[in-house]
Amino acid sequence: DVVMSQSPLSLPVTLGQPASISCRSSQSLVHSDGTTYLNWFQQRPGESPRRLIYKVSNRDPGVPDRFSGSGSGTDFTLKISRVEAEDVGVYYCMQGTHWPPFTFGGGTKVEIK
Amino acid sequence: QVQLVESGGGVVQPGRSLRLSCAASGFTFSSYGMHWVRQAPGKGLEWVAVISYDENNKYYADSVKGRFTISRDNSKNTLYLQMNSLRAEDTAVYYCAKDWAMGRGVDYWGQGTLVTVSS
Repeated sequence: DVVMSQSPLSLPVTLGQPASISCRSSQSLVHSDGTTYLNWFQQRPGESPRRLIYKVSNRDPGVPDRFSGSGSGTDFTLKISRVEAEDVGVYYCMQGTHWPPFTFGGGTKVEIK
Repeated sequence: QVQLVESGGGVVQPGRSLRLSCAASGFTFSSYGMHWVRQAPGKGLEWVAVISYDENNKYYADSVKGRFTISRDNSKNTLYLQMNSLRAEDTAVYYCAKDWAMGRGVDYWGQGTLVTVSS
């Protein structure tokens, strides 16, 4: 199984400042079709997860452009350029390249300092 | 817009069974694979199972293999999860989620239904 490791576990951020979350996979997420199926999800307190980013760097409709995804192979990053209060929650990466099983990172909790 | 509404959760004793349902709308249900993902209280997300659009292919997490069965009724736009031999460690919010690209992950999620396994 592909193990997804996220860091940090907790990320206190000042409003208006940037935030960066790392996600590493135990093996390359490049599929035989050449695509990297790495997704990012946001889960606000008390809510269901919501997809923000798919295929490493593609933002879903309605996702603010302060969110961006990057990376390749086994090393990926989600960045928030200027954190707003509504960004508080837990962020998860998930791989869809080598399955079953689909696997998630352990989550990174973003909170306001 | 895509809507996924889970139901069927509740409190059940260890060793008993429960069936979850997920009513889908806002998209062509019969064209998409569907997943179940769970989240234990205060914990992260754990993928449980996936079913292809035509029900021909089903895959499970090792933790539920042989105990849980995923199925669907395309005429009713409904996804199911039959859970047998339930254990305390199955206690979680269960989400149904729509597959987005021929088995490359999920995009839309339901609101979840809580299953509590306790004597």
